[in-house]
Amino acid sequence: DIQLTQSPSFLSASVGDRVTITCRASQDISSYLAWYQQKPGKAPNLLIYAASNLQPGVPSRFTGSGSGTEFTLIISSLQPEDFATYYCQHLNLYQFTFGPGTKVDIQ
Amino acid sequence: QVQLVESGGGVALPGRSLRLSCAASGFTVGRYPMLWVRQAPGKGLDWVAFISYDGSIENYADSVKGRFTISRDTSKGALLLQMSSLGVDDTAVYFCARVKWDVIRSDHYYYGVDVWGPGTTVIVSS
Repeated sequence: DIQLTQSPSFLSASVGDRVTITCRASQDISSYLAWYQQKPGKAPNLLIYAASNLQPGVPSRFTGSGSGTEFTLIISSLQPEDFATYYCQHLNLYQFTFGPGTKVDIQ
Repeated sequence: QVQLVESGGGVALPGRSLRLSCAASGFTVGRYPMLWVRQAPGKGLDWVAFISYDGSIENYADSVKGRFTISRDTSKGALLLQMSSLGVDDTAVYFCARVKWDVIRSDHYYYGVDVWGPGTTVIVSS
């Protein structure tokens, strides 16, 4: 099975900061990676699909990149509503594995 | 409005069964691959079960294989999850989810989960 790791697990940042979150796959997954934002007590929200495509309705300050085994989610200028936990996910017919998550907290 | 709403959660004794339902509105369940995803208290997201758009393929996480069954009732626009032999590790919020997908030259591509229900809580405890 493909495993996903995320780094960092936790980061503390301020409004306006540029934030980078990395997701690594245990083997080549091409571009089959999605990114989600989840706030406490809520369902996740799809931000990026197919590694670099912005989901409609998601602000353009969110950018996804990467392919193969290393992927990045960048928030160009952190806003108050962006403090949340972020997950990556690989999807194929046989598994829909999530990364362990990165919590973005207020510095 | 595209929406998913789960029901059927509650408290169950270890070893017992529970059935979750998810009502879909604004789209046709029979045209989308669907997932059940769960989240234990204070933990991350775990996929539980998948069903293909036509219901012909089911896949399960190793942790629930042989105990959980995913199905659909397309006439009612519903996704179902039959859970048996429940253990304390099955305690979680269970989300029903729609998979964003495409078919290109007869190959299926799964891109992400674009619609989520609010979740239903399952607590397994003696």
